[in-house]
Amino acid sequence: DTGVSQDPRHKITKRGQNVTFRCDPISEHNRLYWYRQTLGQGPEFLTYFQNEAQLEKSRLLSDRFSAERPKGSFSTLEIQRTEQGDSAMYLCASSSRTYGPTQYFGPGTRLTVL
Amino acid sequence: GNSVTQMEGPVTLSEEAFLTINCTYTATGYPSLFWYVQYPGEGLQLLLKATKADDKGSNKGFEATYRKETTSFHLEKGSVQVSDSAVYFCALSDQAGTALIFGKGTTLSVSS
Repeated sequence: DTGVSQDPRHKITKRGQNVTFRCDPISEHNRLYWYRQTLGQGPEFLTYFQNEAQLEKSRLLSDRFSAERPKGSFSTLEIQRTEQGDSAMYLCASSSRTYGPTQYFGPGTRLTVL
Repeated sequence: GNSVTQMEGPVTLSEEAFLTINCTYTATGYPSLFWYVQYPGEGLQLLLKATKADDKGSNKGFEATYRKETTSFHLEKGSVQVSDSAVYFCALSDQAGTALIFGKGTTLSVSS
């Protein structure tokens, strides 16, 4: 069990550029979550997949954000036309419906928008 | 809606001191409750959990008891170490096990 992995760990981009992050969940986990964490705050929920279906989206997920999980395994989170306010840590977590509600987090991708 | 409130930090203690970090919640139904820890430069790690009233979660000397009557899940440790210095987050998930709702985090700093 290698845990949840995320790539890249750090991303610096210029305002207006598009960025894409990847998350690989724990292999037997069918649920995958994205959160955003800004400095001094707790993580805030963005979206949630069960297998390949996106079942819930937060109102924080504006039209510039899109997430996919095409084969029910890894997931991508894309931000189009980045803004300075998008600078944050983006966290991915996974869980198994079989084993209960515990979510296991990856190390996160830190995004800096200049 | 569901929410979590935890005590403001930072909390500064000497090694071997007793630790309490308060956490209260508002939720409908019977949520599961969690404490996560975030060490500097690292991601969130599950510290302990409790899934029903009166359950006690414990790990690495930390304990928390799910108190439905006071809607609380306070984190305690009898003797903290320098290596416990981190940010601690209280969180809840609803019965469907979808989004985690987090508190704002409490920074603990332990000096030798």
